[in-house]
Amino acid sequence: EVQVLESGGGLVQPGGSLRLSCAASGFTFSNYAMSWVRQAPGKGLEWVSAISGSGGLTYYADSVKGRFTTSRDNSKNTLYLQMNSLRAEDTAVYYCAKYHDEDGSPGFFDYWGQGALVTVSS
Amino acid sequence: DIVMTQSPDSLAVSLGERATINCKSSQSVLYKSNNKNYLAWYQQKPRQPPKLLIYWASTRESGVPDRFSGSGSGTDFTLTISSLQAEDVAVYYCQQAYTTPLTFGGGTKVEI
Repeated sequence: EVQVLESGGGLVQPGGSLRLSCAASGFTFSNYAMSWVRQAPGKGLEWVSAISGSGGLTYYADSVKGRFTTSRDNSKNTLYLQMNSLRAEDTAVYYCAKYHDEDGSPGFFDYWGQGALVTVSS
Repeated sequence: DIVMTQSPDSLAVSLGERATINCKSSQSVLYKSNNKNYLAWYQQKPRQPPKLLIYWASTRESGVPDRFSGSGSGTDFTLTISSLQAEDVAVYYCQQAYTTPLTFGGGTKVEI
């Protein structure tokens, strides 16, 4: 059974840093690109970043470029999101999402975690 | 960036009746090389993550009831729920996967 489970959310002050993790199981992790998608309270979905199966390619939304870094450790089946210089507008539930098809496929997401809440506030 | 615009923002449908949600992209999401539309639909119920319903604009994800169907091409797409059930109350999002940044529509809330 495919599972993805986020961890590492919490309360952080503006300008602070936080690292989210996403532990994956039930599929060959290195064969699939992964993404982070966030949802501010009461708002819609916003794509944050994506990373190829090998980890060699990464993509970011302009809103987080230069502040967030996505990486993965395929030996641990884990995806990461390092968030620096956090702002109030980064407050959201952050979802880890698996691409539907193997590496190179378009970004349709067939499995999502339950989400990790990140609150940026003083 | 490709802007995805959904309409309506919300709709109320009686049980057993049809629900239709529209999604328009600011540029075509049809790849001419493979004649596929890079468009997906998701359902999100309260306090749950989104669930993939439809991809390639009209391919139903495994396990999704056949009352859900997707249609359209290029820039105009539709999600139809042929006979609304109580468990279909949710917010529905379209998403383009044609190019990064991947973008979602603003969502359509479906109520009874």
